[in-house]
Amino acid sequence: TQLLEQSPQFLSIQEGENLTVYCNSSSVFSSLQWYRQEPGEGPVLLVTVVTGGEVKKLKRLTFQFGDARKDSSLHITAAQPGDTGLYLCAGARSQGNLIFGKGTKLSVKP
Amino acid sequence: KAGVTQTPRYLIKTRGQQVTLSCSPISGHRSVSWYQQTPGQGLQFLFEYFSETQRNKGNFPGRFSGRQFSNSRSEMNVSTLELGDSALYLCASSLDGLRNEKLFFGSGTQLSVL
Repeated sequence: TQLLEQSPQFLSIQEGENLTVYCNSSSVFSSLQWYRQEPGEGPVLLVTVVTGGEVKKLKRLTFQFGDARKDSSLHITAAQPGDTGLYLCAGARSQGNLIFGKGTKLSVKP
Repeated sequence: KAGVTQTPRYLIKTRGQQVTLSCSPISGHRSVSWYQQTPGQGLQFLFEYFSETQRNKGNFPGRFSGRQFSNSRSEMNVSTLELGDSALYLCASSLDGLRNEKLFFGSGTQLSVL
């Protein structure tokens, strides 16, 4: 059973389009992190959200943590080819390691 | 400062062999975590070391082991390799391994078991 479900699994869009990817769980997390991973590289942290209902913006990327701290979303405005990659969410529990979702593979075509 | 360094980048082994992977964390980071990444299962936590002690362990068989040295460098070992061990093995370091700390990942070691 996957603790963190990410959707969609794959997404292929044209440059300039908007998109939203989701990270859902039945468990409560103390915080949630979003990473982007490019081929041949390790994941790179984009943002950490800690408070239920929190919204964080990073240029064209908007991250939201659900009120109940069980889900999160990532919205990208006017996607660019440089946004292409695997987007991973990871939840932190009260103790122990980060739990990762399987990721959303995003392809932005010029 | 230098990032997390993993060696080797690529490795090809045959079933039954054993393998050792190395990870050098960012200078000053004392926590090192290891993850296995496969297309089917995503990133799965193997174990975490802090100050030379294994502090946390995932649900992997005993064939997977690790250690950390006094300079925080870490190695992981997989014995009696199986085909299903083919994966990208990622190492991540952080200052103290606290809950909301930023993890810095290496580029990984791509292991292929034939």
